Amino acid sequence: AQSVAQPEDQVNVAEGNPLTVKCTYSVSGNPYLFWYVQYPNRGLQFLLKYITGDNLVKGSYGFEAEFNKSQTSFHLKKPSALVSDSALYFCAVRAAGYQKVTFGIGTKLQVIP
Amino acid sequence: DVKVTQSSRYLVKRTGEKVFLECVQDMDHENMFWYRQDPGLGLRLIYFSYDVKMKEKGDIPEGYSVSREKKERFSLILESASTNQTSMYLCASSVTGGTNYGYTFGSGTRLTVV
Repeated sequence: AQSVAQPEDQVNVAEGNPLTVKCTYSVSGNPYLFWYVQYPNRGLQFLLKYITGDNLVKGSYGFEAEFNKSQTSFHLKKPSALVSDSALYFCAVRAAGYQKVTFGIGTKLQVIP
Repeated sequence: DVKVTQSSRYLVKRTGEKVFLECVQDMDHENMFWYRQDPGLGLRLIYFSYDVKMKEKGDIPEGYSVSREKKERFSLILESASTNQTSMYLCASSVTGGTNYGYTFGSGTRLTVV
């Protein structure tokens, strides 16, 4: 079985400050890890993925994520938050060789002007 | 621009009605998925399909069925809609193999059952 935990329902950060949205996972074998963003009344948009290679992954809109195998974490980060980053963020995991993706429950990011 | 299209953004249906939610993708993806999204519960997989005429149950298939007669189209059917099926429904597709290992999502259908 595979699972994802996003321990924070909501993260508040001031505009211009760095942000972190946390994610831990559990999977058998090698993980494929993803972050998606959802704006109100929209579908999910892909932000970035980790498949293999460099533990620091860069994605869309200045976001990046760090894969930490020993801590089974894949935290989403951005050096300087924008008000327009306010949205719902989902972490997801898929085991290598397996098609089904499991999503976390989502973390609401609120960037305060 | 590649796309997953869900036929309706908003739907209001009555209890007991048979409801069809349609999803079409233009990326020649083998895999298609239906999720429902509810506050505090995240995305829960209803059904998925790896190929035409193929379907597999996800985590919450009760009260739903699906149809995949063509590769590009995956339909979700609520046999007899109930108020507890009021939710946001998201369709997604993915390719098997290659370098794109994630999903492409549609914009979602917000279904209200009254």
